[in-house]
Amino acid sequence: SQTIHQWPATLVQPVGSPLSLECTVEGTSNPNLYWYRQAAGRGLQLLFYSVGIGQISSEVPQNLSASRPQDRQFILSSKKLLLSDSGFYLCAWIPVQGSYNEQFFGPGTRLTVL
Amino acid sequence: QKEVEQNSGPLSVPEGAIASLNCTYSDRGSQSFFWYRQYSGKSPELIMSIYSNGDKEDGRFTAQLNKASQYVSLLIRDSQPSDSATYLCAGRPLFSGGYNKLIFGAGTRLAVHP
Repeated sequence: SQTIHQWPATLVQPVGSPLSLECTVEGTSNPNLYWYRQAAGRGLQLLFYSVGIGQISSEVPQNLSASRPQDRQFILSSKKLLLSDSGFYLCAWIPVQGSYNEQFFGPGTRLTVL
Repeated sequence: QKEVEQNSGPLSVPEGAIASLNCTYSDRGSQSFFWYRQYSGKSPELIMSIYSNGDKEDGRFTAQLNKASQYVSLLIRDSQPSDSATYLCAGRPLFSGGYNKLIFGAGTRLAVHP
């Protein structure tokens, strides 16, 4: 079956601390993967996307980075968190390439930076 | 700047009524459109996809696309309190190419009252 996982579900971190969020998918090979952030009461902002191992594209300059060390693993990182990094982080993927190329979301990680 | 716009709401409808959610987009070349439902504190869930002009029906949901007017809508028939959520409209711009990026609206909050 095709599934997407995110870890951890919630995280509270102090300003200036590092960050590592993980997204893993199962059931398909070489999927497109995406990281989004949703600030409180706001829409979804695309942060990074990847079409293959080691390939990362960034949408907006920011305090974050992403990596794809394995075909089915997508990691979001920061060396030093800012207060403005708080939000709901969502990983998405396209499990089936076809007419629609529909994106599906993982359960998300809620990050609070204090 | 490619944009997708939605009225933030809340849109309040009585149980059993038709809820009509609307979305406009600026990129005339956009190919496909998607409606996601997001319950409070949860990740978005894909409920409808549409890429041809006209209507597409799935159960109580009907998506409507008018490319000439750059307008997408979602109708929910026989609205139930369980339909109360934020509905996100997303479009895939022509420039997204093989990356299949989406641009999201900020969402419309729907409240269905008994």
